[in-house]
Amino acid sequence: ETGVTQTPRHLVMGMTNKKSLKCEQHLGHNAMYWYKQSAKKPLELMFVYNFKEQTENNSVPSRFSPECPNSSHLFLHLHTLQPEDSALYLCASSHSGGGPEQFFGPGTRLTVL
Amino acid sequence: EDQVTQSPEALRLQEGESSSLNCSYTVSGLRGLFWYRQDPGKGPEFLFTLYSAGEEKEKERLKATLTKKESFLHITAPKPEDSATYLCAVRGNNAGNMLTFGGGTRLMVKP
Repeated sequence: ETGVTQTPRHLVMGMTNKKSLKCEQHLGHNAMYWYKQSAKKPLELMFVYNFKEQTENNSVPSRFSPECPNSSHLFLHLHTLQPEDSALYLCASSHSGGGPEQFFGPGTRLTVL
Repeated sequence: EDQVTQSPEALRLQEGESSSLNCSYTVSGLRGLFWYRQDPGKGPEFLFTLYSAGEEKEKERLKATLTKKESFLHITAPKPEDSATYLCAVRGNNAGNMLTFGGGTRLMVKP
């Protein structure tokens, strides 16, 4: 595997379900990010992790819960979501501090019924 | 607060018809302006980073330029495979690792 991978690629869930999104980066980076991309809106940063520590939470509702067990893996735990949470969820990684380019995974298309 | 505005929202070109996409920004100390390409249903693909006014970078039919207030992505003799959404983002002095993205320009190139 190369670059940034995300699973699953597609997810349909009910409002009472609990599910998790997974991201893995194979680039040797130490910063990881979750973004939300909704139709007709710019990419919205949700969370930032540097060296496994959460350094940014962009006022995200508590029904989204991130987890970063190490610098290569990032999870987004989902529970009691709303239909307006339906979107493309993108994971990205970069070097922390120095090299600024962020590299994105293919995303998870989430539909909340 | 850093802000990025891209125009136009959508652009239709004939194959071979050159044009430019605009990215206007306000930022407290620019630490990088980034261009990405995004195909439908996929993650953004990194294209260029520009750091200072006057800087230019090229890749195939794409050329990115930067001034103190805006960046342009020039597309020379586009082909249908250049059809995608092009995203611009900035990192400011107070942003740490965070990027602020614009809304994107959806480019459609017809044969």
